[in-house]
Amino acid sequence: DTGVSQDPRHKITKRGQNVTFRCDPISEHNRLYWYRQTLGQGPEFLTYFQNEAQLEKSRLLSDRFSAERPKGSFSTLEIQRTEQGDSAMYLCASSLGRNGYTFGSGTRLTVV
Amino acid sequence: GENVEQHPSTLSVQEGDSAVIKCTYSDSASNYFPWYKQELGKRPQLIIDIRSNVGEKKDQRIAVTLNKTAKHFSLHITETQPEDSAVYFCAARDDTGANNLFFGTGTRLTVIP
Repeated sequence: DTGVSQDPRHKITKRGQNVTFRCDPISEHNRLYWYRQTLGQGPEFLTYFQNEAQLEKSRLLSDRFSAERPKGSFSTLEIQRTEQGDSAMYLCASSLGRNGYTFGSGTRLTVV
Repeated sequence: GENVEQHPSTLSVQEGDSAVIKCTYSDSASNYFPWYKQELGKRPQLIIDIRSNVGEKKDQRIAVTLNKTAKHFSLHITETQPEDSAVYFCAARDDTGANNLFFGTGTRLTVIP
């Protein structure tokens, strides 16, 4: 286990389609976060899990977005009815408690 | 919520010179301030962090200073090298409350050989 893994690295989809991304955190990390990063901006927080419980959700997470972490290990982020404004880099991070916050390489989504 | 502002947005320095990036934050409850380096197409990587119980922290050529009264913190890179070229992000978090980081908008540092 060398770090936080995200799949796919790139996704191109047509507007209106659904997409799902996967994040595999560092194995002993109990906390998992999703962020979105657009060009020229810092990452923006979307949601946070502690084990399997989703404890925080940003206002940025509209009802078209849903995230799960069913067994407290990997997580998925689904976007339904994608819009061009959803185009961004989606970053996952994990930590053990509040320490060791490590980002994955991200999934770059392009909605055409 | 927290609002983190970062300046400058771009910074060019000659190799060997120092670089300073400054951030301000709005939430006085924030007590953890990490800095991330992001190279093109790569993940943000933590390079240094500071907690509010200290005013300065150094790690080789990198240092961070924190002024809690003024609610600002700065990253200092000395003896810059071309491999320091990247986008640097500051962030803030209230460790006693929400667990997410609030990021600045980034500084693109270019070190000219």
